[in-house]
Amino acid sequence: DQQVKQNSPSLSVQEGRISILNCDYTNSMFDYFLWYKKYPAEGPTFLISISSIKDKNEDGRFTVFLNKSAKHLSLHIVPSQPGDSAVYFCAASARQTGANNLFFGTGTRLTVIP
Amino acid sequence: DGGITQSPKYLFRKEGQNVTLSCEQNLNHDAMYWYRQDPGQGLRLIYYSQIVNDFQKGDIAEGYSVSREKKESFPLTVTSAQKNPTAFYLCASSIGLAGGSYEQYFGPGTRLTVT
Repeated sequence: DQQVKQNSPSLSVQEGRISILNCDYTNSMFDYFLWYKKYPAEGPTFLISISSIKDKNEDGRFTVFLNKSAKHLSLHIVPSQPGDSAVYFCAASARQTGANNLFFGTGTRLTVIP
Repeated sequence: DGGITQSPKYLFRKEGQNVTLSCEQNLNHDAMYWYRQDPGQGLRLIYYSQIVNDFQKGDIAEGYSVSREKKESFPLTVTSAQKNPTAFYLCASSIGLAGGSYEQYFGPGTRLTVT
């Protein structure tokens, strides 16, 4: 049972435009969300996170938005650059349960076209 | 230079053989994790350890075993009981609950091929 879902397996965007990657979750106990970026044959690298007490977190070109009522979060990359081409994973954690395990989505492959 | 190392990068084994994947971290993190990634799928948790000499099963622990004798090391053994062992294996670590941090930091991965 996939508790974190990324329904778009791939996304193509022109360089300089906005990339929007989406993620949905089903477990209402999730209260901390993370985005990771992964290149082929490498480990994922942490990008940005957001706590459920916030609805937006920004770090440079990356912004994560959280809509708790819809159980939905999104990652915005503006402007998109060719080096952003990678697989992006959404992950969630239920800190309030005392656990720090992460539940990952299946990933979205972003291709930024020069 | 702090980080997580996994060795080897590529590993080939014959069916029926046990194989141990190495994971070492020098980040002084309490918690360590093992995931596997298959094509088109997300990362699935195999085992995790919050502290030395303690570990817990994840979602897909069958056919795997781990040990945590030292804080910096968390080796994973893929046994012959694992039905589909060919995959990309990722080790991760985090500060742990006491540190209040939930970001996990990943190693470069080991691609295991069993024929």
